Amino acid sequence: ETGVTQSPTHLIKTRGQQVTLRCSSQSGHNTVSWYQQALGQGPQFIFQYYREEENGRGNFPPRFSGLQFPNYSSELNVNALELDDSALYLCASSLAAGLNTEAFFGQGTRLTVV
Amino acid sequence: DAKTTQPPSMDCAEGRAANLPCNHSTISGNEYVYWYRQIHSQGPQYIIHGLKNNETNEMASLIITEDRKSSTLILPHATLRDTAVYYCIVRVLYGGATNKLIFGTGTLLAVQP
Repeated sequence: ETGVTQSPTHLIKTRGQQVTLRCSSQSGHNTVSWYQQALGQGPQFIFQYYREEENGRGNFPPRFSGLQFPNYSSELNVNALELDDSALYLCASSLAAGLNTEAFFGQGTRLTVV
Repeated sequence: DAKTTQPPSMDCAEGRAANLPCNHSTISGNEYVYWYRQIHSQGPQYIIHGLKNNETNEMASLIITEDRKSSTLILPHATLRDTAVYYCIVRVLYGGATNKLIFGTGTLLAVQP
């Protein structure tokens, strides 16, 4: 158990719809990162939030957006879903946005777009 | 792109040490090496990390070469539950204060009874 929880665990959406995924970070952790993991691939960095501000983004289009709340929980929103968005979405929380801090992952949300 | 190279798969006998190699020849001076493992589509599990000194915790040991171009993760007594994909990752600064974990394809470790 990492103390990082994600909801829902599984989700099926139709192409063109919008989805919101949620992440509750480990107590005291102020940094949350989101990753997308396609089947058979390693996780790919989407973006990172530090103290409620996005402070870095990977190679994902603007229809991927997020929020971080004062309690440091976070949401990932994806608009205009495409079939290729089907993946395991992971969030990771850490105490700070430094290089020498462990990041702990949740169990992920399995999104299927049909 | 991933900054690490790992063998795609390895086998290990139960009870023996598992030694997983990783090459990271382009690592920069302030970048850390992290190891995670992932068991069948669960979230990645943190194992250990280090900068240049060898590290040990209750799960594993991390041996980093003096030139920092490669490292080895050692699971001292592998069990069947250690069967997983093991990711060697360089944690990099990305645009100011942001840092990210760059995952490659990892090593599938199969522990055999």
